Amino acid sequence: AQSVTQLDSQVPVFEEAPVELRCNYSSSVSVYLFWYVQYPNQGLQLLLKYLSGSTLVKGINGFEAEFNKSQTSFHLRKPSVHISDTAEYFCAVSLRNSGNTPLVFGKGTRLSVIA
Amino acid sequence: DTGVSQDPRHKITKRGQNVTFRCDPISEHNRLYWYRQTLGQGPEFLTYFQNEAQLEKSRLLSDRFSAERPKGSFSTLEIQRTEQGDSAMYLCASSSRSGRLETQYFGPGTRLLVL
Repeated sequence: AQSVTQLDSQVPVFEEAPVELRCNYSSSVSVYLFWYVQYPNQGLQLLLKYLSGSTLVKGINGFEAEFNKSQTSFHLRKPSVHISDTAEYFCAVSLRNSGNTPLVFGKGTRLSVIA
Repeated sequence: DTGVSQDPRHKITKRGQNVTFRCDPISEHNRLYWYRQTLGQGPEFLTYFQNEAQLEKSRLLSDRFSAERPKGSFSTLEIQRTEQGDSAMYLCASSSRSGRLETQYFGPGTRLLVL
């Protein structure tokens, strides 16, 4: 079975500062990796995904994430955050080479950007 | 592409009543997923369909939960004899197999409150 651990439940950061949201996963087989964002009272929106190839993945809204196989991590970063980035961020995995399977999510990290 | 839609967006019901939620996927998406999200947690997979076939339903929370996708287009999720513990956000996602990986697109969710 797969599991996802988001190490920080809440991350406060000042506007225009950099941020890193941490994600570690556990799986006995290869997985695809995702980051989703959820704004208040809305569904989830895909930020970025890692399939294969370059370990640095760029997504929307200036976010990027780096896959580290040896550390089983997929941390999300942004060099300069805006107030509008305040939201809940979820890391997720799905099984590779299995005909695609449902996503397994972490518990989420609430990013609060302070003016 | 109008996105995934869900109806209703909010539902308040009394314990013991039955409720039904509807999900309309992105047109031509052949896979449809249901997830449940409780406060402070990431989405939890419930069930999914490929066209009209329900491929996985063992993760439905109890026999009070059922889902259908009769014509391979929209889907309904029914909860019978609701309990207060059923209060949660119910999310629907759809995807289309394209190459090696599908990307799941989420709807805005239906927030259920059981009194």
